[in-house]
Amino acid sequence: KAGVTQTPRYLIKTRGQQVTLSCSPISGHRSVSWYQQTPGQGLQFLFEYFSETQRNKGNFPGRFSGRQFSNSRSEMNVSTLELGDSALYLCASSADSSGNTIYFGEGSWLTVV
Amino acid sequence: GNSVTQMEGPVTLSEEAFLTINCTYTATGYPSLFWYVQYPGEGLQLLLKATKADDKGSNKGFEATYRKETTSFHLEKGSVQVSDSAVYFCAQNSGGYQKVTFGTGTKLQVIP
Repeated sequence: KAGVTQTPRYLIKTRGQQVTLSCSPISGHRSVSWYQQTPGQGLQFLFEYFSETQRNKGNFPGRFSGRQFSNSRSEMNVSTLELGDSALYLCASSADSSGNTIYFGEGSWLTVV
Repeated sequence: GNSVTQMEGPVTLSEEAFLTINCTYTATGYPSLFWYVQYPGEGLQLLLKATKADDKGSNKGFEATYRKETTSFHLEKGSVQVSDSAVYFCAQNSGGYQKVTFGTGTKLQVIP
């Protein structure tokens, strides 16, 4: 069974640009969440989707947005990139809404220059 | 609010030594507790979990017991190997869904 797949794995963007990251959850999983990992702030929750509906959102500016499609695949978008957005972005999925067993992908490494 | 506090690293141990990484939490209600491991350049892997008080999670020789009275979930392993070198994150999920609160991580280095 394939795990959580994130694309692209690595990318470099320029300040002011926007970026879209993609996540394919484990087959059959309906919950998808996103986290940002930086050396200074650690792992921080961005948002979570279940059956195409956003259920939770972390404390990030409106430049960070996401969505989930009917096949449970998810995308997150960051507009007007800032240097501080450089991070590892992790996607996670779970089969149900309880959050008791969450599987993470390998992440997308974003560097903003 | 909900938080997780874990011991600062790095922790350096010789192979076959005993490992303890301390973790305490604050939460409203009764959270589920987790330990995740992150190897260099990779995402997070769920190592073990416990969903209620006195539960013991275990996997690959690692163990942790959910202690409600001390709000703790310390990670232990009796004999570490070089391959256990990684960053270990303690985490909780008290609101259901996937909004997990992580500790800052503890880097473990095991030397031969």
